[in-house]
Amino acid sequence: KAGVTQTPRYLIKTRGQQVTLSCSPISGHRSVSWYQQTPGQGLQFLFEYFSETQRNKGNFPGRFSGRQFSNSRSEMNVSTLELGDSALYLCASSGSQGGTEAFFGQGTRLTVV
Amino acid sequence: GQQVMQIPQYQHVQEGEDFTTYCNSSTTLSNIQWYKQRPGGHPVFLIQLVKSGEVKKQKRLTFQFGEAKKNSSLHITATQTTDVGTYFCAGRSNTGKLIFGQGTTLQVKP
Repeated sequence: KAGVTQTPRYLIKTRGQQVTLSCSPISGHRSVSWYQQTPGQGLQFLFEYFSETQRNKGNFPGRFSGRQFSNSRSEMNVSTLELGDSALYLCASSGSQGGTEAFFGQGTRLTVV
Repeated sequence: GQQVMQIPQYQHVQEGEDFTTYCNSSTTLSNIQWYKQRPGGHPVFLIQLVKSGEVKKQKRLTFQFGEAKKNSSLHITATQTTDVGTYFCAGRSNTGKLIFGQGTTLQVKP
């Protein structure tokens, strides 16, 4: 069974630009969550989608948005990028909402210059 | 909002010494999970605890869930260099949100 796939793996953007990150969950998984990881801050929860609906949302500004498609693939968008948005963005899928273990992708390393 | 605090942030031990990381939540959790992230890697699930006072062991790793389901600990006996990495606890709230602690980064000197 293929794992969680995130694309692209690395990205360099300029302040003010917008970016879209993609996540393909494990086949059959319907829950996808997004996290921002920065040194010293751990994993900050962004949002969770289940069956195309946003079920939970973290404390991030409205510049951060996401969506989930009918095939459970998810995208995350960040508009008007700031230097502080530089981070590793991790996507995790699980078999059910509020289910057991989360399977993480390798992440997308975003650098804003 | 709900917070999960984890201490210490860093721990350096000599190979063979024990290691413990602690996790505390501001609210009661439905369950708690533990993950390990190796340098340059992504978090990998270790275990889930659900019951109040639950204790689970995986070889040299012992996981505990507090009686009030608000705290947890991970203890590693006789650390090895392969234990190096960052250990995260993650609490599942009653809304289903999985909230991670800041993590404890373990360095093991051979």
